[in-house]
Amino acid sequence: GNSVTQMEGPVTLSEEAFLTINCTYTATGYPSLFWYVQYPGEGLQLLLKATKADDKGSNKGFEATYRKETTSFHLEKGSVQVSDSAVYFCALPLSGSARQLTFGSGTQLTVLP
Amino acid sequence: SAVISQKPSRDICQRGTSLTIQCQVDSQVTMMFWYRQQPGQSLTLIATANQGSEATYESGFVIDKFPISRPNLTFSTLTVSNMSPEDSSIYLCSVLVRVGGYTFGSGTRLTVV
Repeated sequence: GNSVTQMEGPVTLSEEAFLTINCTYTATGYPSLFWYVQYPGEGLQLLLKATKADDKGSNKGFEATYRKETTSFHLEKGSVQVSDSAVYFCALPLSGSARQLTFGSGTQLTVLP
Repeated sequence: SAVISQKPSRDICQRGTSLTIQCQVDSQVTMMFWYRQQPGQSLTLIATANQGSEATYESGFVIDKFPISRPNLTFSTLTVSNMSPEDSSIYLCSVLVRVGGYTFGSGTRLTVV
């Protein structure tokens, strides 16, 4: 089945710093790719997604581009805020026919004022 | 996208008891998923619950320990039976809808003492 490898954390940045969290995937075909965010004490929220190659997902200043050449979907933000402190998960469907998601290991981001 | 109400949001339970977690969706959905997130870990799929059929469990999860009900297209329950401290986790339900993709409940934070 499909799988995803996510950059190990934790990541600590100062406010307004540039953020990159790496995500690479192994998949059959070109499945949709997702980034989810989990704020402290909460469940998962969809941050952004891309449904086909070369698509760019964006939300709340975060961006990720579906790059089939490098099988990557790295998450970026130009200027992080303290409120961005959370755990970020890269995810994709487990297989072409499966409907459940498989997740990366998660990256804990802490932004310091 | 769908809105999920998950209850309880957290609980502290005694060893050997059982807890039933409820997941209510504001629209009809075919597929519902139950995930477990152990402390500091990523999400692991427990089972897929389709209305009108038995839940499909992933390797390492069994019906006797995690019985699931899916009485209609908007509701499901997951029971964690005969709990031990190793069951302390966040449990999340998720649905797949045609518009909006995957949505997650806010999670149930379970502590077994």
